[in-house]
Amino acid sequence: RKEVEQDPGPFNVPEGATVAFNCTYSNSASQSFFWYRQDCRKEPKLLMSVYSSGNEDGRFTAQLNRASQYISLLIRDSKLSDSATYLCAVNRAGSARQLTFGSGTQLTVLP
Amino acid sequence: NAGVTQTPKFQVLKTGQSMTLQCAQDMNHNSMYWYRQDPGMGLRLIYYSASEGTTDKGEVPNGYNVSRLNKREFSLRLESAAPSQTSVYFCASSDGRGYSNQPQHFGDGTRLSIL
Repeated sequence: RKEVEQDPGPFNVPEGATVAFNCTYSNSASQSFFWYRQDCRKEPKLLMSVYSSGNEDGRFTAQLNRASQYISLLIRDSKLSDSATYLCAVNRAGSARQLTFGSGTQLTVLP
Repeated sequence: NAGVTQTPKFQVLKTGQSMTLQCAQDMNHNSMYWYRQDPGMGLRLIYYSASEGTTDKGEVPNGYNVSRLNKREFSLRLESAAPSQTSVYFCASSDGRGYSNQPQHFGDGTRLSIL
């Protein structure tokens, strides 16, 4: 089993739709969780950290489910500009500094 | 706001040539990382440096060497380039203090082709 797994998609949704992605991780001892956004041929950019109680940043909501070992990202009222690949990242057991990245979920928001 | 700066942005090499990819960060971060990203493979860690003076192997270190020159700079060297090393290389840095919530911040990448 991979350390971090994501549904590669693609997810094609109309503008204004709500879309959710999940990311499962294998190491129950992981403590740090992040969502990154990566535009085509660009660097990954931190979208948001994921906190135990869940957190929200505008149209984006991140949640952590430790029992089932997954994190989720919910995007409400999708914009064309949300089209990108979304990567989840989880710290490796015993290392706060090393992150393992998922392969990414591709999102296309259609007009 | 420079953040993490990588040079060069593009490079074409012939098999067997050597080169060094440069990375510098101005965020006073302790930890720095080198990744490669290939289609369908996601980001894979090559080497990292938890703090100045230390380096450790990541998931795919073969064929690479690194130098943590000082707190700001972390270079990646290909001694004898091979076509399998054609990839996009990203440098990243993070604060490195404490235990939880250590997001990494990325440079804009080096696109390397080995012929």
